[in-house]
Amino acid sequence: DGGITQSPKYLFRKEGQNVTLSCEQNLNHDAMYWYRQDPGQGLRLIYYSQIVNDFQKGDIAEGYSVSREKKESFPLTVTSAQKNPTAFYLCASSGQGSTDTQYFGPGTRLTVL
Amino acid sequence: GDSVTQMEGPVTLSEEAFLTINCTYTATGYPSLFWYVQYPGEGLQLLLKATKADDKGSNKGFEATYRKETTSFHLEKGSVQVSDSAVYFCALKNAGGTSYGKLTFGQGTILTVHP
Repeated sequence: DGGITQSPKYLFRKEGQNVTLSCEQNLNHDAMYWYRQDPGQGLRLIYYSQIVNDFQKGDIAEGYSVSREKKESFPLTVTSAQKNPTAFYLCASSGQGSTDTQYFGPGTRLTVL
Repeated sequence: GDSVTQMEGPVTLSEEAFLTINCTYTATGYPSLFWYVQYPGEGLQLLLKATKADDKGSNKGFEATYRKETTSFHLEKGSVQVSDSAVYFCALKNAGGTSYGKLTFGQGTILTVHP
């Protein structure tokens, strides 16, 4: 089955540590996205990538980094510079067309202890 | 910039009641409009979409019509079920300018349906 996988489902981090969230898709999509979701709020865009080896900052990129070395993979690193990293992180992918739907993974819940 | 405003929740209904969740937007150009649904602890699932004015998206008994004159995309269902309890997000995708491919979301509306 085609889809998007994210791992781990739950992640606990101590303050001052960097952590990397995995996102893999087998939908053959060119574009991939990372969103952050906080309680009672909509989703906010962290980073996006329209093609391999290229990515752009979204609305809240500070304290995060990404790489896009393969079409199917778009890992997100939450660095120690991110002041409030506890949140639900969602990865998405889509085709390049202007009306193409974004499909979402199941999410990773990150908690800083 | 682009923005989406949803009606404030939470919304609580009895089973078989009529549902409306209002959504209005501000955007330049001709965005595509989406409704996503999120069940507890899960990612977002596409519920329906419309890509141009007067298009009606529909799925699983839910409907929404792209109204450019009122910049709205209200979600409706004639008879809700307990299984429809979830968070509903309205979103737009604007292909123009620097916002290519980005989804702009409303804040979400929590729906609870009681038996």
